[in-house]
Amino acid sequence: QVQLQESGPGLVKPSETLSLTCTVSGGSVSSYYWNWIRRSPEKGLEWIGYIYYSGTTNYNPSFKSRATMSVDLSKNQVFLKLRSVTAADTAVYHCSRGQGSSVTPFGYWGQGALVTVSS
Amino acid sequence: DIQMTQFPSTLSASVGDRVTITCRASQSIGNWLAWYQQKPGRAPKLLVYEASTLETGVPSRFSGSGYGTEFTLTISSLQPDDFAIYYCQQYKSYSLTFGGGTKVEIQ
Repeated sequence: QVQLQESGPGLVKPSETLSLTCTVSGGSVSSYYWNWIRRSPEKGLEWIGYIYYSGTTNYNPSFKSRATMSVDLSKNQVFLKLRSVTAADTAVYHCSRGQGSSVTPFGYWGQGALVTVSS
Repeated sequence: DIQMTQFPSTLSASVGDRVTITCRASQSIGNWLAWYQQKPGRAPKLLVYEASTLETGVPSRFSGSGYGTEFTLTISSLQPDDFAIYYCQQYKSYSLTFGGGTKVEIQ
């Protein structure tokens, strides 16, 4: 059974960079699409973008200028960096895998990592 | 972006009730729609995809329907485990978008 676990700092200062890691167990990062999705009381669920194991990315236009995703096949990990954060970026960040070999729908989810943006 | 509008935003119901949640797309998305259930402190769970196909293991009291711009998720007989937030999501366009969510709470 594929399991995803997000990790990273729970507190980030305004204007700094949010960095998160998604560690995949019970399966391989290879051959799949990996998404980052965030959840907040104000905006509900927001799709940030995806990365294919080969490195191909597609970002939500709302995040395109600030988000960067990458993968490390040797460590079975997926990464998210979000630059120039503000309080509006406070949210629970989930990594997710598409169903089968598709980008979506999102069949596998991590529990999420709460990130608070505050000085 | 394709905008997804869900209603109601909150729904109060009792165990055994039939519950219907509606999701409307700002343009036609065919049947490229999924529904998710989210409980506090837990990851969202895929319930329905392609508008009406039940994910493996999802109880048959859940059903999805619709095509084009209007979709519904129905719970035929609400169970205690079903009190949660439900989201729709379109995947017609490359920019994926969710509805705002419907909270199903105990009446």
